Amino acid sequence: ETGVTQSPTHLIKTRGQQVTLRCSSQSGHNTVSWYQQALGQGPQFIFQYYREEENGRGNFPPRFSGLQFPNYSSELNVNALELDDSALYLCASSSDSYGYTFGSGTRLTVV
Amino acid sequence: QKEVEQDPGPLSVPEGAIVSLNCTYSNSAFQYFMWYRQYSRKGPELLMYTYSSGNKEDGRFTAQVDKSSKYISLFIRDSQPSDSATYLCAMRPLGGSEKLVFGKGTKLTVNP
Repeated sequence: ETGVTQSPTHLIKTRGQQVTLRCSSQSGHNTVSWYQQALGQGPQFIFQYYREEENGRGNFPPRFSGLQFPNYSSELNVNALELDDSALYLCASSSDSYGYTFGSGTRLTVV
Repeated sequence: QKEVEQDPGPLSVPEGAIVSLNCTYSNSAFQYFMWYRQYSRKGPELLMYTYSSGNKEDGRFTAQVDKSSKYISLFIRDSQPSDSATYLCAMRPLGGSEKLVFGKGTKLTVNP
């Protein structure tokens, strides 16, 4: 097992730009979730994908979108970046209801 | 009212102390309860997982769930400097999208 890997680890973008974050799920995990963690806060659920279909969405606007690929890797896309989008973005994968394996995250800074 | 409330601390204790971390919640549909540990600049790491009410022990860690009071706890015995991290409670209902709802986290420092 290689765990969950995310790329890039850090990113600086300008307000109004678009960004794509990537996640490689743990081997055998068919469910991937994305979370946003602002400084000093707990992670907030963005959305989840199960076998390439969106399977639930949190309270985030449509400019947050995602994809899951046949190999269960995933992307998070954010359009029209705002300053408040600055956060740690976490990807988590699972194969059943028992716990989730999180990646180390991508630190996004919007200036 | 937030769905999950966690006393954010921070908490500073001497090595060897017993640590108690707590969360309360308002959604009676929550059935799965978890505690995650997050080191600086890392993603959360699952520590304990419990279903419904009761206690679960794993080494120095004990998780308690009291559904009647909507209250969960994590106890750390014989705390070590390596336990210094932020501890997050998380929970979710049975079924649905398996969305986890997290507390704000408690930053723990164990001093040698």
